[in-house]
Amino acid sequence: GNSVTQMEGPVTLSEEAFLTINCTYTATGYPSLFWYVQYPGEGLQLLLKATKADDKGSNKGFEATYRKETTSFHLEKGSVQVSDSAVYFCALRISNTGNQFYFGTGTSLTVIP
Amino acid sequence: DTAVSQTPKYLVTQMGNDKSIKCEQNLGHDTMYWYKQDSKKFLKIMFSYNNKELIINETVPNRFSPKSPDKAHLNLHINSLELGDSAVYFCASSQDFSNEQFFGPGTRLTVL
Repeated sequence: GNSVTQMEGPVTLSEEAFLTINCTYTATGYPSLFWYVQYPGEGLQLLLKATKADDKGSNKGFEATYRKETTSFHLEKGSVQVSDSAVYFCALRISNTGNQFYFGTGTSLTVIP
Repeated sequence: DTAVSQTPKYLVTQMGNDKSIKCEQNLGHDTMYWYKQDSKKFLKIMFSYNNKELIINETVPNRFSPKSPDKAHLNLHINSLELGDSAVYFCASSQDFSNEQFFGPGTRLTVL
C-alpha cells in the first residue's frame, strides 16, 4: 500500500540549530512528495515539493531531496528560528490512485530562543 | 481576502446532535476536500469533490455527508454526533487533483 512514516516528535531545538525531520515512504506507483507546515491555530500550508527522483524542493531555508533509492524525503534547515515552531507533515501523492494524498502523522517542532 | 474559509471556527455540541460545517473557496478551484485531524495531529482525508461529483469517499461513517451546492462550496454535515467525532476538521481546495492543496483554518469540533 501507500504510506508515509515520519520521525516521532516532539522535537525541541535552540535557535540557529540544524534541523532534520526524517520521512520515508511506501508507494505502489511513482509519487510526488511534499512537506506541509501547520503553524499554531492555522491550516496546513505547502512548504516545498519534489515531483521526481533526485529533485530538491526548497523554500524559506528548508530543503528536501527526493531519494528513490532510500524512499526518503527528509526535511532539513541549517539554522532554525523561533518562527519555525510548527507541526510539519510529510505527504505523498500517487497519480494512479486519483491523485490521492497520504499524510504522515506530523512532527511537532519547538524552537527556543 | 481569505482563500479557503470555514465556519464555525469552534463548535461545541452534545452527543446525538446534528451539525454542519461550511467551507468556501474563492480561488476558482475545481476540487475540494475534507480532512479530519485527531488529537495526535494525524490527518486523514474524508472526502473530495471535483466539479460537484464525489471522487474519493474514504471509509468514514455514513453519518458524515458532504454537500456541494456549487463549485465554491463543500459543506460537511454530521448526524448523530459521537464522542469520537471530536477533532479538527480541515477543508482544502486545489485547481485539480494534481495541484497543490490550499487548506482552510480548521474547525475544532468538541462533542460532549
